[in-house]
Amino acid sequence: AQSVTQLGSHVSVSEGALVLLRCNYSSSVPPYLFWYVQYPNQGLQLLLKYTTGATLVKGINGFEAEFKKSETSFHLTKPSAHMSDAAEYFCAVSLLNSGYSTLTFGKGTMLLVSP
Amino acid sequence: DVKVTQSSRYLVKRTGEKVFLECVQDMDHENMFWYRQDPGLGLRLIYFSYDVKMKEKGDIPEGYSVSREKKERFSLILESASTNQTSMYLCASSLTGVRSEAFFGQGTRLTVV
Repeated sequence: AQSVTQLGSHVSVSEGALVLLRCNYSSSVPPYLFWYVQYPNQGLQLLLKYTTGATLVKGINGFEAEFKKSETSFHLTKPSAHMSDAAEYFCAVSLLNSGYSTLTFGKGTMLLVSP
Repeated sequence: DVKVTQSSRYLVKRTGEKVFLECVQDMDHENMFWYRQDPGLGLRLIYFSYDVKMKEKGDIPEGYSVSREKKERFSLILESASTNQTSMYLCASSLTGVRSEAFFGQGTRLTVV
C-alpha cells in the first residue's frame, strides 16, 4: 500500500527565509505525487504534481518540489517566504483503490510566517 | 476553471438527525470524492464514486452513505448524526486516471450538538 509521511506538523519561518516542507512516500511502484495548499476556511488548491518526466517540478506561487526516488522523497521548497504563504500544506499520493485512482493524503504541515 | 460547489459552508445539526451534504461539479468529471478533515489527522476518504450510481467505500465509511444519481452531483448522507461526526467535510472531483489531480470544494463545517 502507498502512503505519505509529512515530517513536522508545524514549521515556522521568517519572511524572506527559505521554506522547506518534507514529504516521504512509501510505494512499491512509481508514484504519482501532489502538493496542495489550504488557506484558512478554504478548500484545497493544487500547488504542483509529479507524474513522469522532469524530477524538479515547478508550481504556483514560486513553489517547487523535487522527486528523489533514491530517498523516496518529494519535498516542497520556496526560496523566500511571504506572509501570504501562511497556510496548511498537504502532500498526497495517487493510489489505486479497488481498481480506481484515489488520493491518499499526509497529515499536513502548518506553515507559520513571521515578519 | 473547474468549479466544485458545496451547498453549505456551515451547518449545525442535532444528534440523531439525518443530514445531507450536497456537492456539484461543472467539469464533467467521472470521479467524485468525499473526505473528512480533522486537526492532526489530515484528510481521510469516506466514499468515492467513479460513475453514476456507482460507489466505493473509502477508509472511514461507517456512519455515512452516499448517492450519485447524476454525473455532476454527489451527496453525502449521515443517517443519524452523532457528535463524533463534527468535522470539516470536503468534496472533490477528478478525471479518471492515476495522474489526475482532484479539484476541491470550499468545504462544509458540520457541527453536531
